[in-house]
Amino acid sequence: QSALTQPASVSGSPGQSITISCTGTSSDLGSYDLVSWYQQHPGKAPELMIYEGTKRPSGVSNRFSGSKSGNTASLTISGLQAEDEADYYCCSYAGGSTWVFGGGTKLTVL
Amino acid sequence: QVQLVQSGAEVRKPGASMKVSCRASGYTFTDYYIHWVRQIPGQGLQWLGWINPYKGDTKYAQNFQGWVTLTRDTSISTAYMELSRLKSEDTAVYYCARITRDSSFDCWGQGTLLTVSS
Repeated sequence: QSALTQPASVSGSPGQSITISCTGTSSDLGSYDLVSWYQQHPGKAPELMIYEGTKRPSGVSNRFSGSKSGNTASLTISGLQAEDEADYYCCSYAGGSTWVFGGGTKLTVL
Repeated sequence: QVQLVQSGAEVRKPGASMKVSCRASGYTFTDYYIHWVRQIPGQGLQWLGWINPYKGDTKYAQNFQGWVTLTRDTSISTAYMELSRLKSEDTAVYYCARITRDSSFDCWGQGTLLTVSS
């Protein structure tokens, strides 16, 4: 099972918007609306930010939004804040009761 | 509140085994599968497998089959991950996580650092 493909890094200035892509295949991400996104600060456990591709858990800022088209899912963060600087990972159900993560994207707030 | 608490950091020599615990609280342990995820230092997250605390059935990622063994003890709401035949490249932080019915991991343990070194 190959990892989902994410850009290694993205950056943006405070107040701007950024989008992180996550590309899979028709066997995993493209076949299921079960993509989730996680934020991980250094030395901390990942935290759920988006589930089922577009839904936000209670307590997550509405500056975070998700979408999906075909084999690619995207996470958009609007109104960037310094505290958004972290690593972001996508994850998808991959069939056969297995899951797969993306390689991760480092977000730098300039 | 929902919480997963893992056992502390471990140091092992190559060839040894190691068992990590993940104790659940704040919810009914048998209602949610527990997954395990690895993070090698400076690298991304790798899915290792899951255990169904109710029935005890398991599923492992293809690359980790035969190396990872997942078990649970429902009497103490604890899941376990045992790693065998350790190598230096297995040095990583290992996380347990609860998965919800929408296939997202809504609660994570704090992570257990395993260092494999001679």
